[in-house]
Amino acid sequence: GQQVMQIPQYQHVQEGEDFTTYCNSSTTLSNIQWYKQRPGGHPVFLIQLVKSGEVKKQKRLTFQFGEAKKNSSLHITATQTTDVGTYFCAGAGGATNKLIFGTGTLLAVQP
Amino acid sequence: SQTIHQWPATLVQPVGSPLSLECTVEGTSNPNLYWYRQAAGRGLQLLFYSVGIGQISSEVPQNLSASRPQDRQFILSSKKLLLSDSGFYLCAWSWDRTNTGELFFGEGSRLTVL
Repeated sequence: GQQVMQIPQYQHVQEGEDFTTYCNSSTTLSNIQWYKQRPGGHPVFLIQLVKSGEVKKQKRLTFQFGEAKKNSSLHITATQTTDVGTYFCAGAGGATNKLIFGTGTLLAVQP
Repeated sequence: SQTIHQWPATLVQPVGSPLSLECTVEGTSNPNLYWYRQAAGRGLQLLFYSVGIGQISSEVPQNLSASRPQDRQFILSSKKLLLSDSGFYLCAWSWDRTNTGELFFGEGSRLTVL
């Protein structure tokens, strides 16, 4: 069945450094979504990408959807302590076209 | 505006005891409703989803069941809990009928089975 993997599983950065997490699907996706889950909290929707090669920005966050619609990335410029949490991608595709969550990347930011 | 409430927030249950987690959505009608489980340090696994009253789709065979007795109420149950049922349970709703749209999550229920 469809699998969505994320790398790295964990990233520790100094405040001010950049951060990137990558999402890879075994099947072509109709869309990709990104969520952020603060420690002890629940996932919160960040953005959805639909088009091949699409790039969207939210302040210091840049989201990309690959040309083949099988991968995506989230890049954070100049991380802040408020960026701490787990970032999940979620993709819809494959035979069932249901939303499958990635394994998540836990970001730790040291002040 | 729409809100989603989930309770209880935390519970500790012995093996073999029953379970009932409740979720309600306000401010919208006929939403898609979902139950997810998140094991410690892991991703989100879809357990059940519902597109309407009494309509439940199960994604993973397991010790749990779900019911939707009212349009904006979704209940997760078990008759006899197992140790492996421990985890963080999240209810979510969506407008999207294709099951691929944006999800709005509740605050979660943390279950520990001893």
